[in-house]
Parts: sequence; C-alpha cells; structure tokens
Amino acid sequence: EAGVVQSPRYKIIEKKQPVAFWCNPISGHNTLYWYLQNLGQGPELLIRYENEEAVDDSQLPKDRFSAERLKGVDSTLKIQPAELGDSAVYLCASSLRRGPLDTQYFGPGTRLTVL
Amino acid sequence: AQTVTQSQPEMSVQEAETVTLSCTYDTSESDYYLFWYKQPPSRQMILVIRQEAYKQQNATENRFSVNFQKAAKSFSLKISDSQLGDAAMYFCAYRSAHRDDKIIFGKGTRLHILP
Repeated sequence: EAGVVQSPRYKIIEKKQPVAFWCNPISGHNTLYWYLQNLGQGPELLIRYENEEAVDDSQLPKDRFSAERLKGVDSTLKIQPAELGDSAVYLCASSLRRGPLDTQYFGPGTRLTVL
Repeated sequence: AQTVTQSQPEMSVQEAETVTLSCTYDTSESDYYLFWYKQPPSRQMILVIRQEAYKQQNATENRFSVNFQKAAKSFSLKISDSQLGDAAMYFCAYRSAHRDDKIIFGKGTRLHILP
C-alpha cells in the first residue's frame, strides 16, 4: 500500500512569491490534515478535511494561506505571498476516520525555505 | 488548553541499552489518548505506541513500552535493547477523546544511538 505522497520535497522561493504544496493521501482515507512544523518544534495543525469539507481551519492564517481538497482526495496548500517566517516543513497526514484512536499516517513533508 | 512538555531536547544511549524519554502533559479532561511518534531524519513520522487514558495497563509494542501515570500526568517512553534504527526525533502527543481530533504535540526529544 502506497503511503501519503507529498510534492515537492523541497522548495526555495523568495519572499512575496506564491508557493503551493500537493498531497495525495492513502487510498480510501477520508480525513486529511495539513500540519506546520517549525524547526525544533512538534507539528501544529493548520487544517483538517473530512472528505472535501474543511472541518477545522481555525489555525490556518487565512490572509495568506489557502487550501482545497477537490473531490475529497488530493489536496493543495497554498501560500500567497510567502513571508520569511513561513520557512518550515509542511506535513500532510491522512486517516480513515474510524474514531478518535484512528492512526494518522504522515507524508515525508515539504521543506520550504523563504529567502 | 492542553499542553505537552518534553523536557529533554536530546538524549543519547548506547546500542543495546535501555533509554527512557520523559513527557508530561496538562489537561482538565479525564478521557483522552496519548501517543509517541517517531520521526527519523528526512523520513515520515510514524506512530510508535498509544495509550488510552481509561486503561490502567501500560501499553507495550515489542521493545517499546510506556509508563503512564495518570495522576501525575506523566507519560514516559522506554526503549529496550536500543538499535541504530531507533535514532530519531520522538514526539509525545495528546488527543482529547471528546472534542475534535486535533493532536497536540510536544517539542520532541532527539535520540542518538551510540554504536
């Protein structure tokens, strides 16, 4: 079974430029998560999808961040415009959403560097 | 708000020895779940072990076991017979059983295995 796929793995951009990250969850997983992981920190949830619906986006900075999950499968996270402080690893995870103990499977992440 | 604290930024252990990683958490809830995640360098984060707060018995997964002290709000991870492949960042995490399923992560402990 293929795991969570993310691309690109690395991205370097200049500040004020737009950037997008893509995530393909494990087949059949209804729930998809985007996390932000700053250096030396644990992941922090940005947004959670149940199928195509964003059910928790309270931590997503909506002035510059946006996300979508068309058809309830793949998802894209966008930053426009990027700022220096956005340099971090962006993790995607998915789960079957069978209950609170449902295991989240993480992708390898996209490491963003904003110059 | 719930918090998770890992007071050991880094630890080292000799190969084949036993090491214990510490974690404390703060919550006013009585029903929740606790997790340990492993994040190897440049690789996906994976779930190592989990514990339901209502269970008194400590969870065990092969060489990994936990010491769950609910009254003390402590959740340590013991790794027995340490192997080189155990080198990674280890994150302690908390998840409420009753609200949304946002996982709260600690800042992590980097574990080095000395050959």
